Amino acid sequence: EAGVAQSPRYKIIEKRQSVAFWCNPISGHATLYWYQQILGQGPKLLIQFQNNGVVDDSQLPKDRFSAERLKGVDSTLKIQPAKLEDSAVYLCASSPGGQGASFYGYTFGSGTRLTVV
Amino acid sequence: SQQGEEDPQALSIQEGENATMNCSYKTSINNLQWYRQNSGRGLVHLILIRSNEREKHSGRLRVTLDTSKKSSSLLITASRAADTASYFCATPIQLSKLTFGKGITLSVRP
Repeated sequence: EAGVAQSPRYKIIEKRQSVAFWCNPISGHATLYWYQQILGQGPKLLIQFQNNGVVDDSQLPKDRFSAERLKGVDSTLKIQPAKLEDSAVYLCASSPGGQGASFYGYTFGSGTRLTVV
Repeated sequence: SQQGEEDPQALSIQEGENATMNCSYKTSINNLQWYRQNSGRGLVHLILIRSNEREKHSGRLRVTLDTSKKSSSLLITASRAADTASYFCATPIQLSKLTFGKGITLSVRP
């Protein structure tokens, strides 16, 4: 089966600019996650979707970050305006489960490496 | 918040040796998972162990879980240079979300 697709792979922007990342999960996976991974740290959950609804966005800095998953398939994550501390790898993952998604392993995309200068 | 904490932070071994990595967590869990991340790539799911299991094997991987001590270990036997990567343990904080530790950097010298 095809994996989780993410684009772009790399992005360099100036602070205060905006940027968007795209994710296409594995077909049929109900749950989609966006994680932020700062260099040298583990991934931190930003937002979780189940189908096209938001399950948890408590860690999403909503003053600058937004995400959507239209039609319950692919998803976009946007940052506007970007800050220097947003430099990180943004990882998208999907899981076949719904409420019990943690009982399944996640499949991650290769991530988008964002550098804010 | 991070639930799992891996130990050691970094590990360097010779090819052919075994690598043992540990993970401790704070609250009760229904499963624990290990992931590998090669440099510049996404995470790859390695193995999942449920709370009612004590040991699980997958190829050269052996995972143990001690719920009384809230700890897990990942053993990679007969390591290869290709095993060089970062390894993360992940635990669910609710049924549908995983939280990851800071990871262990494993270097396998040829």
